Amino acid sequence: RKEVEQDPGPFNVPEGATVAFNCTYSNSASQSFFWYRQDCRKEPKLLMSVYSSGNEDGRFTAQLNRASQYISLLIRDSKLSDSATYLCVVNRGDSSYKLIFGSGTRLLVRP
Amino acid sequence: ETGVTQTPRHLVMGMTNKKSLKCEQHLGHNAMYWYKQSAKKPLELMFVYSLEERVENNSVPSRFSPECPNSSHLFLHLHTLQPEDSALYLCASSQDLGVRSYNEQFFGPGTRLTVL
Repeated sequence: RKEVEQDPGPFNVPEGATVAFNCTYSNSASQSFFWYRQDCRKEPKLLMSVYSSGNEDGRFTAQLNRASQYISLLIRDSKLSDSATYLCVVNRGDSSYKLIFGSGTRLLVRP
Repeated sequence: ETGVTQTPRHLVMGMTNKKSLKCEQHLGHNAMYWYKQSAKKPLELMFVYSLEERVENNSVPSRFSPECPNSSHLFLHLHTLQPEDSALYLCASSQDLGVRSYNEQFFGPGTRLTVL
């Protein structure tokens, strides 16, 4: 089983749609969780950290379910500029700085 | 100056060449990282430095040799690479190792390396 699993997609949605991605992780000792965004042939950029209580940043909402070991990202009112690959990232349980990256979920927002 | 810079952005080298990748961070961070991203694969952690001391070598072959002369600069020296080493090499930095907090890492634009 992969340490971090994501549906590779692509998710193809119209502008204005709401889209949700899920990610599961295998190590119950993991303590920190992130969503990064990566555009084609560019570096990953931190989108948001995911906290136990869930958090929201504008159109983006992240949730953490420790019992089921999954993380979600909800994007409301999708924009064309949201088209990218979204990486789910979890720390390795024995280390705060060893981050495990998922393979990413690709999102295509069409006009 | 943007947060984390890397040079060169593209590099083509033969298997017998020696080259170096450079990373510089302008964020005042104390930890720096090298990652490898091969086509269709997730990022893999290679090396971690904290306050210029290497704290992690993630089973990386010796043909990759990191150097951290100060907390703002990180190098990756390359020699006798193989074609399968062709990848995007990304540098990242974070405030510290995040022992008591989330370790949010910020990436440079990467060096796209092709080994012929």
